[in-house]
Amino acid sequence: QKEVEQDPGPLSVPEGAIVSLNCTYSNSAFQYFMWYRQYSRKGPELLMYTYSSGNKEDGRFTAQVDKSSKYISLFIRDSQPSDSATYLCAMSFTYNNNDMRFGAGTRLTVKP
Amino acid sequence: SQTIHQWPATLVQPVGSPLSLECTVEGTSNPNLYWYRQAAGRGLQLLFYSVGIGQISSEVPQNLSASRPQDRQFILSSKKLLLSDSGFYLCAWRQLNYGYTFGSGTRLTVV
Repeated sequence: QKEVEQDPGPLSVPEGAIVSLNCTYSNSAFQYFMWYRQYSRKGPELLMYTYSSGNKEDGRFTAQVDKSSKYISLFIRDSQPSDSATYLCAMSFTYNNNDMRFGAGTRLTVKP
Repeated sequence: SQTIHQWPATLVQPVGSPLSLECTVEGTSNPNLYWYRQAAGRGLQLLFYSVGIGQISSEVPQNLSASRPQDRQFILSSKKLLLSDSGFYLCAWRQLNYGYTFGSGTRLTVV
């Protein structure tokens, strides 16, 4: 079993839809959870950074962590064509993040 | 502000040739630096990380090596490239409580 599992997609939605992206993990020691967005042929960029369980909202993006289920989600409201990218979840055990683990990424296309 | 530079953006190299990819960071001192490889449709594989000048930790036995000759410089090298070394190479630095900031990546094709 991989430490971090993420459905690779691809996922295609119409503009304006609510998008739900998910990752599961096997090690309950993970405490810091991140979502990265990666456009084609570019490096990943950090979208959301959360610690432990709970929700965090930033504009159209909401990150949700459920440590009891070992499950994290990223919701995108009112999706736009510019949201088309690969989304990577990541998590680490410690605050210094030297032990980061990444999911394989979900490719999202938002159609106009 | 902190920035990370990585070059070249693309590279096509013959099998058996040497490799040198460079990464530099500006606007911070003593950063933790990382080299990752991303294969098509797969996740990010950590290759090397460095917590300071001359300090290199290798995560996976590779045909690759890394060096950190200066505080804000991280170099990925190979003496003889293999076909399997093809991939998208990413340099990153760590911000405490903010995850990683990645460079724009180098797409390496070994032919």
